[in-house]
Amino acid sequence: AQTVTQSQPEMSVQEAETVTLSCTYDTSESNYYLFWYKQPPSRQMILVIRQEAYKQQNATENRFSVNFQKAAKSFSLKISDSQLGDTAMYFCAFMRNGNKLVFGAGTILRVKS
Amino acid sequence: GAVVSQHPSWVICKSGTSVKIECRSLDFQATTMFWYRQFPKQSLMLMATSNEGSKATYEQGVEKDKFLINHASLTLSTLTVTSAHPEDSSFYICSARVNPGQGALEQFFGPGTRLTVL
Repeated sequence: AQTVTQSQPEMSVQEAETVTLSCTYDTSESNYYLFWYKQPPSRQMILVIRQEAYKQQNATENRFSVNFQKAAKSFSLKISDSQLGDTAMYFCAFMRNGNKLVFGAGTILRVKS
Repeated sequence: GAVVSQHPSWVICKSGTSVKIECRSLDFQATTMFWYRQFPKQSLMLMATSNEGSKATYEQGVEKDKFLINHASLTLSTLTVTSAHPEDSSFYICSARVNPGQGALEQFFGPGTRLTVL
């Protein structure tokens, strides 16, 4: 079975600074997808970024980028120029061939002014 | 973008009663919908996978007779919590996946339903 581990229960960062959230996963599959979701206080799940395992290039979405290390099974999220609106719980998730999502335990990120 | 709604957003019921939660895909057809349960400051726990026109697939440990799921159309799935008890109080989230022909990877999440059982 696939597992997703987020080892940082809580993190904080100053506004405008950069922060990196860690995620590791375990799978024997070669084709899969990885996601970072954001859940703000409203509790609406929002897709932040997606990475296909077959792509070597790291995904980037504006201030959000990932460091995907397939051999190490690591998928970290970097948030640049942190904003107060980035305060949320962040979930790393794994999906195989369009199947169900497996979520990590989450990391609470607090952006301080 | 794809929008998923849930109704109600918040419900309070008495112990022993049943509560129905609706999940709708507003601007796309979803052959597959997923139901999650989330406790405060915890992750999403998948309860079941709902496929249009067929029986739902429940995750291990989830009582299918207690959490009834119906996916009668390509835009609507319902979760009914039967004979609710205080321990069923939680935040329930649904997600919907577009039909395979439209790109089957991404799940779009509803805003969630907070259930409180007194």
